[in-house]
Amino acid sequence: GAVVSQHPSRVICKSGTSVKIECRSLDFQATTMFWYRQFPKQSLMLMATSNEGSKATYEQGVEKDKFLINHASLTLSTLTVTSAHPEDSSFYICSATSSGTTDTQYFGPGTRLTVL
Amino acid sequence: KQEVTQIPAALSVPEGENLVLNCSFTDSAIYNLQWFRQDPGKGLTSLLLIQSSQREQTSGRLNASLDKSSGRSTLYIAASQPGDSATYLCAVIPVDDYKLSFGAGTTVTVRA
Repeated sequence: GAVVSQHPSRVICKSGTSVKIECRSLDFQATTMFWYRQFPKQSLMLMATSNEGSKATYEQGVEKDKFLINHASLTLSTLTVTSAHPEDSSFYICSATSSGTTDTQYFGPGTRLTVL
Repeated sequence: KQEVTQIPAALSVPEGENLVLNCSFTDSAIYNLQWFRQDPGKGLTSLLLIQSSQREQTSGRLNASLDKSSGRSTLYIAASQPGDSATYLCAVIPVDDYKLSFGAGTTVTVRA
């Protein structure tokens, strides 16, 4: 149980294009989903927290207009990187909790984004 | 602001040796602490979760201790195997927040 999937697992795009990453909870309803970014050999940095049906809460320094997050249902959250640039290349990981923000977070397998 | 540090950053041991991974955090007011495993290019797998009221948790060859007052946790892996090679991350949730704060991880290599 408690499986979280991400799609795609890796994506390569040209600079200036937008990329959408999906995060799904497969066997539970995720009231809260989190989006993280990880650079090589560094820890995960929380980008934003999203609750189903409401606007995402972004961490300081994260551009909300660049990283659009939508949590339209209890099983799906999407992260759209708009007008991507090479510096946006990173590993993006989502996680989900089932019954509250302090509950155990279940992590997706991650999405490797490369912007050329 | 909570800061989580993991030492060492990398560790290489021969198969069969016991592993000791350290995690320290600056604010002892935590809700819980988790240890994760991350394989290269992959997501995170939760290994152990220790509530703030607990002192240790065990799962198979893994044992994690928590000393909240000193801001430390240690992950022990007994009789290491090549399949244990991965990066191990610790993360804490503070009592007044819900956000996980991660350490940078310890990359373990177990040599056959």
